[in-house]
Amino acid sequence: DTAVSQTPKYLVTQMGNDKSIKCEQNLGHDTMYWYKQDSKKFLKIMFSYNNKELIINETVPNRFSPKSPDKAHLNLHINSLELGDSAVYFCASSQESGHSGANVLTFGAGSRLTVL
Amino acid sequence: AQSVTQLGSHVSVSEGALVLLRCNYSSSVPPYLFWYVQYPNQGLQLLLKYTSAATLVKGINGFEAEFKKSETSFHLTKPSAHMSDAAEYFCAVRDSGAGSYQLTFGKGTKLSVIP
Repeated sequence: DTAVSQTPKYLVTQMGNDKSIKCEQNLGHDTMYWYKQDSKKFLKIMFSYNNKELIINETVPNRFSPKSPDKAHLNLHINSLELGDSAVYFCASSQESGHSGANVLTFGAGSRLTVL
Repeated sequence: AQSVTQLGSHVSVSEGALVLLRCNYSSSVPPYLFWYVQYPNQGLQLLLKYTSAATLVKGINGFEAEFKKSETSFHLTKPSAHMSDAAEYFCAVRDSGAGSYQLTFGKGTKLSVIP
């Protein structure tokens, strides 16, 4: 059983379209994240949810909207896709409650988005 | 604000040679430090982490890292490189304050291993 699973793994779409990436974790973690990795491999956090509450919302265009229906799921919806949105998007999760902060993030395998 | 700097975006070593990947951190409070590895077309996996219990941290696959507060460094080493070590390596830092959810990554170092 995959701990953090993302779908789809690959997504090719046209500019202007709307698309979603789904993420599910079966680790019982209370916090989930979306990271964007650009073509130079730079990883930047986009959002984080703790117990379904948004706690990190970095400077990201409002075309990106995360949704966490429950603790085990964090989806990413992107409106009006642009060429610059092409990247690999990683979902991750961690258990924050009751820990000191040295908590390890468990990552999904990534979703490669290509906007044409 | 916390940050990490990885010196060298690309490091090449011969198989069997010492691997040294450099990471320096900047944090206003005692940090937690991590090394993650990313194999091609895969997600990130934890190699090791520093949590103040011991300055020399051993991780998986023979890697280890030493926390040096005076140098604000957390360099990753492995005595003998294997071909399977070829990957992208990321150093990351997290403040130790309560409720600190932000894990900040360095820009990564690509390790190539030459047969």
